[in-house]
Amino acid sequence: DAKTTQPPSMDCAEGRAANLPCNHSTISGNEYVYWYRQIHSQGPQYIIHGLKNNETNEMASLIITEDRKSSTLILPHATLRDTAVYYCIVNLGNEKLTFGTGTRLTIIP
Amino acid sequence: EPEVTQTPSHQVTQMGQEVILRCVPISNHLYFYWYRQILGQKVEFLVSFYNNEISEKSEIFDDQFSVERPDGSNFTLKIRSTKLEDSAMYFCASSAWTGSYEQYFGPGTRLTVT
Repeated sequence: DAKTTQPPSMDCAEGRAANLPCNHSTISGNEYVYWYRQIHSQGPQYIIHGLKNNETNEMASLIITEDRKSSTLILPHATLRDTAVYYCIVNLGNEKLTFGTGTRLTIIP
Repeated sequence: EPEVTQTPSHQVTQMGQEVILRCVPISNHLYFYWYRQILGQKVEFLVSFYNNEISEKSEIFDDQFSVERPDGSNFTLKIRSTKLEDSAMYFCASSAWTGSYEQYFGPGTRLTVT
């Protein structure tokens, strides 16, 4: 799995967009970028994934740079329930997930 | 919305006892996983299972651990002789080919070994 680098923590005001960066400079051409989150010891929750193109779903948007060496997860209107640890993971898809320490996102009322 | 379920939610056992943690993956999924998370630490991969056999396992998954899919719905993790250091949250996950393999996790079983 390619190594990823994320800031250890971030704050965001409730109602604002939360932008979570991830560096994955050694990603290979056929590796996906996945984002998961873990809310206080619950099971990790899948958010979104992408290969080359930007992606959007009901939870978030994923912006991947053209060289694929970094990406940003965007939560467009953060709520208190978005407070969690967010993990950026790159892999081929049908294999184990290797979790790092992620970014602890705190939504401030 | 389909979800992965796990039972029990909390299991307390004495050191040396056998435990079986149970999972019901999402019904049309074909790939199954166990992960664990020791309190305050990272989520760690234990084992993946596909087509009725282990496809990959970590160093943690030694001879004391085994997995089974005894019927068409359950996926179990057995620890033969528990140790204090097996105390952790154990998460089951499942995935299917949908163009990629996003994994869906259960709520976890908290195992406490005393």
